[in-house]
Amino acid sequence: KNQVEQSPQSLIILEGKNCTLQCNYTVSPFSNLRWYKQDTGRGPVSLTIMTFSENTKSNGRYTATLDADTKQSSLHITASQLSDSASYICVVSAVDSNYQLIWGAGTKLIIKP
Amino acid sequence: NAGVTQTPKFRILKIGQSMTLQCTQDMNHNYMYWYRQDPGMGLKLIYYSVGAGITDKGEVPNGYNVSRSTTEDFPLRLELAAPSQTSVYFCAIGRSTNEKLFFGSGTQLSVL
Repeated sequence: KNQVEQSPQSLIILEGKNCTLQCNYTVSPFSNLRWYKQDTGRGPVSLTIMTFSENTKSNGRYTATLDADTKQSSLHITASQLSDSASYICVVSAVDSNYQLIWGAGTKLIIKP
Repeated sequence: NAGVTQTPKFRILKIGQSMTLQCTQDMNHNYMYWYRQDPGMGLKLIYYSVGAGITDKGEVPNGYNVSRSTTEDFPLRLELAAPSQTSVYFCAIGRSTNEKLFFGSGTQLSVL
């Protein structure tokens, strides 16, 4: 069964600190992996999309990594800001998924001043 | 350029009532999707459309219907609302299946 699991479920860190969020997936055959940021009460916003051949991709202070062999991805946030407080969702697309994306439940990140 | 506009933002329905959630886009993207998001769960695809006149079921289509008469609009119809349909509903658009999705701000629906 295609699944995406994220850890931790929630995380609290102080402003200015770094953090890393994890994503493990069992989706096959793999097409791409995406990270979305979802602020409370808003729709998700895309951070990155990574294909099989990409193992690192950055978007400002956000850096995503992908290990297609172990089926793991991480999202690293550098020098966190209060505006980084949100849920971060890992999403995996399968090649023959018929347009369906498999969404993780997300990691809720809280940045404290 | 508003992107994806969803209405209403909030709605309370009684069991058995019907309603239509509206979704309009001004980005001229062919692909449109309806998702529901339940607390602590990943988004689930209800219906999707690859272009005007073409719709197909997602993972959880029961109790819902859609239509796509134009590129811009993709309304979601709930017939005979049930408490299990209490959720947050998101409309999303995409230029292709391999590109990022753009989401509306969501509709919070409660069925009591």
